[in-house]
This record gives sequence, C-alpha cells and structure tokens, in this order.
Amino acid sequence: EADIYQTPRYLVIGTGKKITLECSQTMGHDKMYWYQQDPGMELHLIHYSYGVNSTEKGDLSSESTVSRIRTEHFPLTLESARPSHTSQYLCASSEWRGLGNQPQHFGDGTRLSIL
Amino acid sequence: GESVGLHLPTLSVQEGDNSIINCAYSNSASDYFIWYKQESGKGPQFIIDIRSNMDKRQGQRVTVLLNKTVKHLSLQIAATQPGDSAVYFCAENSPSEKLVFGQGTRLTINP
Repeated sequence: EADIYQTPRYLVIGTGKKITLECSQTMGHDKMYWYQQDPGMELHLIHYSYGVNSTEKGDLSSESTVSRIRTEHFPLTLESARPSHTSQYLCASSEWRGLGNQPQHFGDGTRLSIL
Repeated sequence: GESVGLHLPTLSVQEGDNSIINCAYSNSASDYFIWYKQESGKGPQFIIDIRSNMDKRQGQRVTVLLNKTVKHLSLQIAATQPGDSAVYFCAENSPSEKLVFGQGTRLTINP
C-alpha cells in the first residue's frame, strides 16, 4: 500500500490569496506528479518531477508552481488564487526502475474552492 | 495527440454479475497500461497493470485484456460486489513517459 499524503483535504479561500498544497510520500519514490481533476472527469497532468531539483510542466497549462527540494516533498503553490483555480488537485508518486514503468500511487487529493 | 477514451461513461450491473469496462487508446507506441478505481472523495487506487508484451493479466477478481491490433483495453471484474461501485479510469503510458488518462466509467451496482 502506497503512503502518500496531501494536506489540506479541503480548502475554501478568497481570491488573491497565496496557497500552498502539500504532498509528501514516505516510499522514497523519485518521480512525483500533480494532476488537476474536475469531479468525475479525467486527470490532467500539470507538473512532474524526476527527482530532487527537477521540475517540469505537464500537459495542462497551470498558473501554479512546484518545487522539489527533498525527495519526499513536492508542494504546489498558487501565488494569487482565482475562481478558475477551483478544482481537485491530486498528487502521485512512482518508482523509477530500470526494468520499465511502474504504477503511480495517488494521495486522496485537495479539493480547492476559490471564492 | 495522445488520448485515451472509454466507450461508456456509465455502466450498471447486477450484484454478482461480471462487469466489463472498455477503453480505447490512440497511441500504438504506448507500452504500459493501468486501470485505476476512484471512489468518491478519494484519489485513484491502482487495480492492475499490463505491459504491451502481454495480452492478458489476472489479479484477484479482475482481469485486464489488451488488444494491440485494435488498440483496445478492457477490465473484467468477476462477481461484482457493492464495494466495486466507483469510477474506473484506464491510463496509457505514452512514449513521452507521461500517463494519459481516459474519461472514466462510473460503475453502479444494482442489488
């Protein structure tokens, strides 16, 4: 069972605020990811990382930024929240093995509402 | 571009029956596929995966079938139970090394 934690689970906040969504994993996985998901819809990759000091933008344009200073921690930041940022944000991690791809393991998400 | 789609957005089955959830993918170069289950208020949970050098893989009550000729993936759930109610996503690992998710099928179990 994967151990990946996201906080907060729910956040309702006003427009213009700076927000940081936390994601931590205890499995020592090199790869980490952030997805955005509207209710019942598919997941869209917004950021990913192959390891410490590595960050890349995903397929869906996002005004958020990420950092990867430690292997286990991959926070996502919105400098100035807007109502269009209202969504669910899911964090995931996976191993990087030479034998091929490994499944991504997900946290339970942060449901963000911007008023 | 790369995309993965599912044939049906919703599926209702009787408790105890077998469920089959289908998925079509577009990139013939994709080499790894995963099925996820997502319950309300939770993140996607890994169910089973399959690599492109296989056409069938079985787990506990679940089987994944891969047909590379028609780029089709299916998830079979045997003896469906109420706890199987969820949204099921297929995902394709594209040559760009990113996971591309389909739109999801909501499985509802009728008593």
